[in-house]
Amino acid sequence: KAGVTQTPRYLIKTRGQQVTLSCSPISGHRSVSWYQQTPGQGLQFLFEYFSETQRNKGNFPGRFSGRQFSNSRSEMNVSTLELGDSALYLCASSLAFGVVGNNEQFFGPGTRLTVL
Amino acid sequence: AQKITQTQPGMFVQEKEAVTLDCTYDTSDPSYGLFWYKQPSSGEMIFLIYQGSYDQQNATEGRYSLNFQKARKSANLVISASQLGDSAMYFCAMREGLINTGGFKTIFGAGTRLFVKA
Repeated sequence: KAGVTQTPRYLIKTRGQQVTLSCSPISGHRSVSWYQQTPGQGLQFLFEYFSETQRNKGNFPGRFSGRQFSNSRSEMNVSTLELGDSALYLCASSLAFGVVGNNEQFFGPGTRLTVL
Repeated sequence: AQKITQTQPGMFVQEKEAVTLDCTYDTSDPSYGLFWYKQPSSGEMIFLIYQGSYDQQNATEGRYSLNFQKARKSANLVISASQLGDSAMYFCAMREGLINTGGFKTIFGAGTRLFVKA
């Protein structure tokens, strides 16, 4: 069974541009979460999607948005990029939703975004 | 407020010895899950072990075990017989359910970088 895939793996953009990152979860997984990882802030939760609906959102500005498609694939978009948006963006999928249990999240390799 | 604390920014261990990575958490929710992840230099997060708040026994997965002390709100990871390939960042995480949305939220600690010496 294929793991979580993220595209692209690396991305270089300039300030003011916008970017779209893609995540394909493990087959059968319906829950997708996004995280931003930076040396200064560590791992921070961005969004959680299930059944094409955003179920939870972290403390990020409105420039960060996302969506989930009917096949559970998810995209996140960052508009008007700032230097501080440079980070590793990790996507994770899990089988179940709304269950506090051994519902481990399987992570993709991440997309490393550099904003110049 | 939820909080995960990993007080050891870096740890050294001799190959084949055991090492304990500390994690303390804070939550008022009686139902939660605790996880440990490993992140090698490649960047991918690898799930290691899980402990539920209602689990009576400490979780074990191969060379990994979780020393769960609920009253002290600690969930330390023990790696036995360290290997060179264990050198990586290790993150402790906590997840709890959100009643209003039926979703869940996971927060991560700052991580501990483990160096295994030959």
